[in-house]
Amino acid sequence: QKEVEQNSGPLSVPEGAIASLNCTYSDRVSQSFFWYRQYSGKSPELIMSIYSNGDKEDGRFTAQLNKASQYVSLLIRDSQPSDSATYLCAVKEGYGGSQGNLIFGKGTKLSVKP
Amino acid sequence: DTGVSQDPRHKITKRGQNVTFRCDPISEHNRLYWYRQTLGQGPEFLTYFQNEAQLEKSRLLSDRFSAERPKGSFSTLEIQRTEQGDSAMYLCASSFPGGSSYNEQFFGPGTRLTVL
Repeated sequence: QKEVEQNSGPLSVPEGAIASLNCTYSDRVSQSFFWYRQYSGKSPELIMSIYSNGDKEDGRFTAQLNKASQYVSLLIRDSQPSDSATYLCAVKEGYGGSQGNLIFGKGTKLSVKP
Repeated sequence: DTGVSQDPRHKITKRGQNVTFRCDPISEHNRLYWYRQTLGQGPEFLTYFQNEAQLEKSRLLSDRFSAERPKGSFSTLEIQRTEQGDSAMYLCASSFPGGSSYNEQFFGPGTRLTVL
């Protein structure tokens, strides 16, 4: 059973702090990794994708990937109350383009306190 | 707005009734996915299409569920003889498997199904 694990939280950080969200996955051949943000009652919104080991930065967001440790993380700098949401880690199953579905973790609920 | 659209947004039905949902993907995307999400869980994969071909189905997709994408554009998901356990948010996503996007999937707003 291929799995994606996340701490469910809630993770509470003060406004302006760095929020760190973590994810581990079981499928060693996975090549594509995604972070989605989901506000309560809404659908997931893609915020970051990462495919190579190392860091990828986009504005206040940095995704980090370590394939050897099967570990993905998301850092949110200068956290804002509007960042309060559930963050879903997703891993594309299999290798290459033949399989397309994503396996999601249960999500980490982030609360940013003013 | 050229994002993924889904219809209806909400559906309340009685146990045993049939329901059908529609998804219109982003126009240039040839892959379309259906997921189901229940409270406190991440989305769970149901099935996906590349153009009109249904390439994969999850074991979650019982024989009461059927999906079609007849012309490779919009898709429908039908649930026959609904059960209370079918109550969930049904999400549609689309992607274009080329270039640097590497199968980034973009979700529609979802259809929330309540089975009474």
